[in-house]
Amino acid sequence: GQNIDQPTEMTATEGAIVQINCTYQTSGFNGLFWYQQHAGEAPTFLSYNVLDGLEEKGRFSSFLSRSKGYSYLLLKELQLKDSASYLCAVRDGDYKLSFGAGTTVTVRA
Amino acid sequence: TAGITQAPTSQILAAGRSMTLRCTQDMRHNAMYWYRQDLGLGLRLIHYSNTAGTTGKGEVPDGYSVSRANTDDFPLTLASAVPSQTSVYFCASSDSEVGTEQFFGPGTRLTVL
Repeated sequence: GQNIDQPTEMTATEGAIVQINCTYQTSGFNGLFWYQQHAGEAPTFLSYNVLDGLEEKGRFSSFLSRSKGYSYLLLKELQLKDSASYLCAVRDGDYKLSFGAGTTVTVRA
Repeated sequence: TAGITQAPTSQILAAGRSMTLRCTQDMRHNAMYWYRQDLGLGLRLIHYSNTAGTTGKGEVPDGYSVSRANTDDFPLTLASAVPSQTSVYFCASSDSEVGTEQFFGPGTRLTVL
């Protein structure tokens, strides 16, 4: 099985930067995913890392270190609409996704 | 393009009754998944199908069954519902098991009393 840990909640101010950390222990590794989920809605894909390093997509960046079992999602220039839950998910050796419990980010004006 | 649709949107079900949650995708994706999402536990995989005609068990399969008769449809059946199956159920699909993104349906909120 998988063990995926991420903080439960984070709060930040509009325009600021927030970093959401995710640590994992897996039986096999075939990629790490970040999803965004607004309250009452379905998760939507944000980013995918399979090699070490930083992937940048506009205001969102994701970093992976496979040797440390560590990833982070960086949200820059925060907007009120970024208030949501952010889910870290690891794909194991059998290509199945295991999700962390999610980090609820609240952006305040 | 509809993507993935789920039905019903929500349901209240008496314990002991059976129910089928429907999931249909129009993206011709080979792989489909069923998850349940509970507060504090995140999304957990119930069953999956890598291609039409095949299914597999996920992390929490007990009390649930699935079938994959064709590419588009992946129904989830609760044979005899219990209150612990109260949850939000999400269906997802990806082009293959090694695809880089899973697309999620809007979810079904199920309450078992």
